[in-house]
Amino acid sequence: ETVLTQSPGTLSLSPGERATLSCRASQSVSSYLAWYRQKPGQAPRLLIYGASSRATGIPDRFSGSGSGTDFTLTITRLEPEDSAVFYCQQYGRSPFTFGPGTKVDIQ
Amino acid sequence: EVQVLESGGGLVQPGGSLRLSCAASGFTFSSYAMTWVRQAPGEGLEWVSAISGSGGTTYYADSVKGRFTITRDNSKNTLHLQMNSLRAEDTAVYYCAKGAQEWSYYFDYWGQGTPVTVSS
Repeated sequence: ETVLTQSPGTLSLSPGERATLSCRASQSVSSYLAWYRQKPGQAPRLLIYGASSRATGIPDRFSGSGSGTDFTLTITRLEPEDSAVFYCQQYGRSPFTFGPGTKVDIQ
Repeated sequence: EVQVLESGGGLVQPGGSLRLSCAASGFTFSSYAMTWVRQAPGEGLEWVSAISGSGGTTYYADSVKGRFTITRDNSKNTLHLQMNSLRAEDTAVYYCAKGAQEWSYYFDYWGQGTPVTVSS
């Protein structure tokens, strides 16, 4: 099983700032890495797939990078609506595991 | 408009069974993989099971293998999760989600979830 580790656990930032979230895989997943945002009380929403491709309707404030075992989600110009938990997920091989999440607090 | 709508959740005793359903619309159902993902109260996302567009290939998390069965009825645009031998640790909100392609197991549309509580 591919274990995903996310850091930091929590990120506290102000509107307009830049957030950098990390996801590390226990073995290579090539570029089969997706990122999701889950706002409180809502279902997750796909942000990034293929490590760096934005999903439909996702603004260019969100960007993904990395391959192999190390991946980064960068969010520029943070907005209040970005207060959420962000999860990475690998889909290179079953089981298609999720990371534990990074909580982003916008204060 | 793509929609997926879960149903079938509820309260069940340990050792019991429950069948979840997910009704899909707005896309060619048989052309896309589907999945179940769960979230225990206050916890993160846990991938549970997935099925290819044709239904010929299924995948399971180790935590549910041998107890849960995923199936799909492409004639009715419906996904199912049969859950047997339920345990307290299966308590969660269960989300149905659509794969981005027939053989892609990242998920671009999600339902709002159906809650399952396993308790005596």
